[in-house]
Amino acid sequence: GENVEQHPSTLSVQEGDSAVIKCTYSDSASNYFPWYKQELGKRPQLIIDIRSNVGEKKDQRIAVTLNKTAKHFSLHITETQPEDSAVYFCAASSSGYSTLTFGKGTMLLVSP
Amino acid sequence: DVKVTQSSRYLVKRTGEKVFLECVQDMDHENMFWYRQDPGLGLRLIYFSYDVKMKEKGDIPEGYSVSREKKERFSLILESASTNQTSMYLCASSKGQSREKLFFGSGTQLSVL
Repeated sequence: GENVEQHPSTLSVQEGDSAVIKCTYSDSASNYFPWYKQELGKRPQLIIDIRSNVGEKKDQRIAVTLNKTAKHFSLHITETQPEDSAVYFCAASSSGYSTLTFGKGTMLLVSP
Repeated sequence: DVKVTQSSRYLVKRTGEKVFLECVQDMDHENMFWYRQDPGLGLRLIYFSYDVKMKEKGDIPEGYSVSREKKERFSLILESASTNQTSMYLCASSKGQSREKLFFGSGTQLSVL
């Protein structure tokens, strides 16, 4: 089955800096890659996703890039703010009928 | 706005007890899921259901069972709770045949003593 590795496990940045979280996947058939954000004590929520026919996708300060050849994808957050502090999970699936396989999560701490 | 509601936010049970975790969604979603969240281990799928009375095992089904008698409700059952089942349990749902865009509940923190 699919295996998703996520790094780093924790990331501390200063407000205004950029943050990058990286994930690798094992199944070359995977074609859908979402990112979920979980604030402390709250539910995970989908923040951005990308499909394998697209190399990059942006939504305001967040972007996701995908390298199918290397089987890795990354979340980029620019101009970080304290409210970006959360645990971020990447995931992968090989089709709409497959369930998501999640990475272990990255705790991002943005200091004012 | 999709609402996935888990009946309890915190639950404390004794070893050997039968435990029911309830989840209800109000958006007529076909798929429902139970995940377990442990620090450093991420989100691991226990069971999911793609239709009423239909279920499939996830990655860690041992020690758990599920029930889906109505479309909006998905129950996770711990037949005989053990201390290693102390965890945060998250319910989720998704629409149609897609199991991609998940809407999560707020979670139930279960402690088994």
